[in-house]
Amino acid sequence: KAGVTQTPRYLIKTRGQQVTLSCSPISGHRSVSWYQQTPGQGLQFLFEYFSETQRNKGNFPGRFSGRQFSNSRSEMNVSTLELGDSALYLCASSGDSRYEQYFGPGTRLTVT
Amino acid sequence: QKEVEQNSGPLSVPEGAIASLNCTYSDRGSQSFFWYRQYSGKSPELIMFIYSNGDKEDGRFTAQLNKASQYVSLLIRDSQPSDSATYLCAVNIGGSQGNLIFGKGTKLSVKP
Repeated sequence: KAGVTQTPRYLIKTRGQQVTLSCSPISGHRSVSWYQQTPGQGLQFLFEYFSETQRNKGNFPGRFSGRQFSNSRSEMNVSTLELGDSALYLCASSGDSRYEQYFGPGTRLTVT
Repeated sequence: QKEVEQNSGPLSVPEGAIASLNCTYSDRGSQSFFWYRQYSGKSPELIMFIYSNGDKEDGRFTAQLNKASQYVSLLIRDSQPSDSATYLCAVNIGGSQGNLIFGKGTKLSVKP
């Protein structure tokens, strides 16, 4: 089975811009979660989607949003980028009724 | 505030020794526990998960869970230089699959 894929792998944006990141889960997985990883804060949960519905949300501002499509692919959007948004953004998927999450390679976002 | 605590390390062990990594969590409602390995510049890789009190063994890895003490550990037997990485402890506090709380990780160095 192919793993979780994320695009793009690297991104450089300017403060104030917006960005959209994409994630394709493992085939058959309907739960997709997004995390932000920074050296200072570690891995922090952003949100989880299941069957096109947001099921859980972490403690991030409303500039961070996401959605999921009928094929379980997910996107996350960050609007009005700030320098502090520079991070590795990770997507993970889980199979139905399973709690194990499998991560994609991540998107490295740099905001200048 | 639900927290997962790990010693940041670095933990240095000689090749062939047992590496012992520890993690404590604050939420007594936590149900599922995970260990991820993350090499520098890579995304986290799931190596062990445990749901019940006691030990779970998989090859050179053993996960130990003590819910009464709110403590989970990972033992790596016959440590190899290729085990050198950051090990992340993660906890699912219940409810949906997708919301993991991560510790900040323990950096393990295995010396040849």
